[in-house]
Amino acid sequence: QLQLQESGPGLVKPSETLSLTCNVSGGFISSSSHYWGWIRQPPGKGLEWIGSIYYSGITYYNPSLKSRITISVDTSKKQFSLRLGSVTAADTATYYCGRDTFGAYDYWGQGIRVTVSS
Amino acid sequence: EIVLTQSPGTLSLSPGDRATLSCRASQSVSSNYIAWYQQTPGQAPSLLIYGASSRATGIPDRFTGSASGTDFTLTISRLEPEDFAVYYCQQYGSSPYTFGQGTKLEIK
Repeated sequence: QLQLQESGPGLVKPSETLSLTCNVSGGFISSSSHYWGWIRQPPGKGLEWIGSIYYSGITYYNPSLKSRITISVDTSKKQFSLRLGSVTAADTATYYCGRDTFGAYDYWGQGIRVTVSS
Repeated sequence: EIVLTQSPGTLSLSPGDRATLSCRASQSVSSNYIAWYQQTPGQAPSLLIYGASSRATGIPDRFTGSASGTDFTLTISRLEPEDFAVYYCQQYGSSPYTFGQGTKLEIK
């Protein structure tokens, strides 16, 4: 059974960089049929797609965040990562990693709550 | 980007009732690439429907998705207690992927 698990700091200071990692187990991160992506959810609000990456490193990002984000993959470690720079309070959210199957997210991590505060 | 508008915002029904949730897209969604997710409190969303009408693995047949132009519908034929949750639609026909604001299905 495929499982995804987010990890990273739960508190980030304003203007700093948020860095999260998603570990993939029980399946192949190098699958030719899937991308791997990030979605976030501010407290009490809806979902926002951040971006996705293919095992080869091909990425596509939400234009609203593109200038601040980098998604990378390390197939040897079976993990992919998110970096979001110049964070503000508006970036406070639960961040989910997931498997992107032609755009629909069929597996999700449990989520990690990240608060931006000094 | 494609804006998805879900209605109603809140739907109050009883177990055994039929639920109809709507998702309207601001423009045509390529190949009807619409997904529906269920989210219970404190949990990650889970995929119910993809391609507007295909059930994800393990999803019971009381969940049905349909499409008509830019209008998409999720129908739950007979509500079970575990179905009371928040439901989101998502379009993945064009980038950026976008989500509706959600419909909360609550017990009446």
